[in-house]
Amino acid sequence: DTGVSQDPRHKITKRGQNVTFRCDPISEHNRLYWYRQTLGQGPEFLTYFQNEAQLEKSRLLSDRFSAERPKGSFSTLEIQRTEQGDSAMYLCASSPRWGLSRAGDTQYFGPGTRLTVL
Amino acid sequence: GNSVTQMEGPVTLSEEAFLTINCTYTATGYPSLFWYVQYPGEGLQLLLKATKADDKGSNKGFEATYRKETTSFHLEKGSVQVSDSAVYFCALGGSQGNLIFGKGTKLSVKP
Repeated sequence: DTGVSQDPRHKITKRGQNVTFRCDPISEHNRLYWYRQTLGQGPEFLTYFQNEAQLEKSRLLSDRFSAERPKGSFSTLEIQRTEQGDSAMYLCASSPRWGLSRAGDTQYFGPGTRLTVL
Repeated sequence: GNSVTQMEGPVTLSEEAFLTINCTYTATGYPSLFWYVQYPGEGLQLLLKATKADDKGSNKGFEATYRKETTSFHLEKGSVQVSDSAVYFCALGGSQGNLIFGKGTKLSVKP
């Protein structure tokens, strides 16, 4: 079990550029979540996948944000036309198949990708 | 909507002191409750969780009890160590399996 990995760990970009982040969940975990964490705040939920299906995307911060999980394994989060306000830590988490209790499954987090938009 | 409020930090304690970090929640239904910890330079790690009322989660000397009547899940440890210095996040399970986090409490333990 190698844990959740994210790549890159750090990304510096100029305003207006597109960026893409990758997340590799723990193998056999069906669910994959993306969060954003800004300084001094807790992580904020963005979107999630059950296998390859994206079941919630209304929390994505704007239409510049999109996510995919094409084969139900790794996922990518893309931000188009980045703005300085997008600077944050982007976290990915995975969890095993949802249990009988609606929200009881533990989520395992990756180390995050820190985005800086100049 | 569902939300979590936790005590603001930073909290500074001497080694072997007693720790309490308060956490209260607002939720419909009976969500699971979690404490996550973020050590300097590392990712979020689950510290403990409780899935129903009166459950006590415990790990590494930390404890928290799911109190439905006071909608609370306070984190406690009887004797903190320097190695406990970290940011602690209280969270509840959302309706889609996501987590709803508090703002975090930074703990510094001095030798």
